[in-house]
Parts: sequence; structure tokens; C-alpha cells
Amino acid sequence: EAGVAQSPRYKIIEKRQSVAFWCNPISGHATLYWYQQILGQGPKLLIQFQNNGVVDDSQLPKDRFSAERLKGVDSTLKIQPAKLEDSAVYLCASSLKEGTGELFFGEGSRLTVL
Amino acid sequence: GQNIDQPTEMTATEGAIVQINCTYQTSGFNGLFWYQQHAGEAPTFLSYNVLDGLEEKGRFSSFLSRSKGYSYLLLKELQMKDSASYLCAPEGTSGGYQKVTFGTGTKLQVIP
Repeated sequence: EAGVAQSPRYKIIEKRQSVAFWCNPISGHATLYWYQQILGQGPKLLIQFQNNGVVDDSQLPKDRFSAERLKGVDSTLKIQPAKLEDSAVYLCASSLKEGTGELFFGEGSRLTVL
Repeated sequence: GQNIDQPTEMTATEGAIVQINCTYQTSGFNGLFWYQQHAGEAPTFLSYNVLDGLEEKGRFSSFLSRSKGYSYLLLKELQMKDSASYLCAPEGTSGGYQKVTFGTGTKLQVIP
């Protein structure tokens, strides 16, 4: 069974530029999560989708971050414009169903903002 | 709301036993995950506790006390490869949906 796929693995941009990350969850997984992990910290939930609907985006900085999950499958997270403090690893995870479901993580996309 | 507390760092000797504690305050608590994360890698699932008590899985065991808002991860017969961060992640219900929140992680260093 294929795991959660993410791209790109690494991205370096200058502040005020834009960047997009892509995630393809495990086939059949209804719930998709985007987490931000700053070095030395635990993952912080940015947004959670149930199929193609948003169920939690309370910690998403909506003035600069956006995410969509078209057709309830793959998802894109965008940052525009980027700030220095956005330097982090962006982890995508999926679970078969919400609640009591193990989260399967992708390898992450490491963003460096200069 | 969410409040998760676990030690930042721990050091233990190869072959020994180590216990990583976690306390939490989680609205609508359902259960608690433990994840392992090696440096530069994604978190991987270790355990999920719903009921009070100890669950053993090979060298790793996880304990939960719902009434005390307390969990621990017990690692036995430590190996060098166990050097990693261990993330406590309680699951709660918020706005009608389950949500998993991660602690800052405990960085475990296993020394010879």
C-alpha cells in the first residue's frame, strides 16, 4: 500500500515570495491533515479536512495561508506571502476515518524562508 | 482547550528502561497517541490508549489514566536506535470533530 506522498521535499524561497505544497493521502483515507513543525517543537495542526470539507482551520493564518482539497483526494497548501517565521517542515497526514484512527504521515516538505 | 506537558529531554543507557511521562488537559478527551520521530523524519505511530491501564507491545508499553489526565510511555531494553523524539498526542472532540494535538515532544538520547 502506497504511503502519503508529499512534494516538494525541500524548498528555499525569499520572504514575500509564494510557495505551494502538495499532498496525496493514502487511497480511501477520508481525513487529511496539514501540520506545521518548527524545529524543536511538536507538530501544530494547521487545517483538517474530512473528505473535501474543512472541519478545523482555527490555527491557520488565513491572511497568508490557504489550503484546498479538491474532490476529497489530494490537497494543496499555499503560503503567500511567506515570512521568515514560516520556515518549518510541513507535514501532511491522513487517517482512514476521523477519530480513533492512526495518522499516517508523509515525509514532509521542508521550507526555508530567507 | 489543550494543554500538554512532557519533559523536553531525557538521557538513558543502552539496555536500560526509561519512562516518558505526559500530562494533558483535553476537551472531549477520546484517547491518547504516542508517536516516535527520528531526526529529519516524519512521526510514526507507536500506540493508542483509550481505556485506563497498561498496554504492552514488545519493548514498548503505554499507560493511561483518564481521571488523572496522565500517560506514560515505557521503553525497555533500550537500543541505540531508540534515540528519537517521543510525541504525546491526546485526541479530543472539538466542534463535533475529533482532533489530535501534539505535545512538544521528549528528545530521548540513548548512550552506550
